Amino acid sequence: EAQVTQNPRYLITVTGKKLTVTCSQNMNHEYMSWYRQDPGLGLRQIYYSMNVEVTDKGDVPEGYKVSRKEKRNFPLILESPSPNQTSLYFCASIRGETQYFGPGTRLLVL
Amino acid sequence: EDQVTQSPEALRLQEGESSSLNCSYTVSGLRGLFWYRQDPGKGPEFLFTLYSAGEEKEKERLKATLTKKESFLHITAPKPEDSATYLCASASYRDDKIIFGKGTRLHILP
Repeated sequence: EAQVTQNPRYLITVTGKKLTVTCSQNMNHEYMSWYRQDPGLGLRQIYYSMNVEVTDKGDVPEGYKVSRKEKRNFPLILESPSPNQTSLYFCASIRGETQYFGPGTRLLVL
Repeated sequence: EDQVTQSPEALRLQEGESSSLNCSYTVSGLRGLFWYRQDPGKGPEFLFTLYSAGEEKEKERLKATLTKKESFLHITAPKPEDSATYLCASASYRDDKIIFGKGTRLHILP
């Protein structure tokens, strides 16, 4: 089954404790992307990757890092999380113009 | 700066009452205009991609249309299961970013 998986689905952490949210797709897509979704602000793109070792900033990259060492995985790294990064995060992979979204990761930073 | 604006923010309809959702866009070199459906707590689900003014696409009770400045998602004789948030997004030839509108929350009353 074609899918995008994210882990963990829910995470509560404290300010400053480094964390990684994993994203994996099994469709051999080249383009992958991370979004955050906040009430009243909609979906905003954090980072995207056009292919292995190729990443670029979206609209809200501050406080985040990504890596793309292999085609199927695109982890999102928060080196020093802050409360304003509390949000619902979605990973997506793209074939043509169709984005396939993961189930989301709900993050709470205390 | 590229922008995508959706209206209304929320819409309540009786079952069977047809209506339209609007997506206005300001994008340099539109590569594609996308519509998604999002159910609470889930990732967006792809509906349509439109590429050029005059294009129309249909799926069950939904029809998406595109002009040079806006797109409409027409919902004909909606049912309660059509209740969801509908998202519009754009991609341009200028860069590889994808910009989402804030969505329209649609509620269909039985």
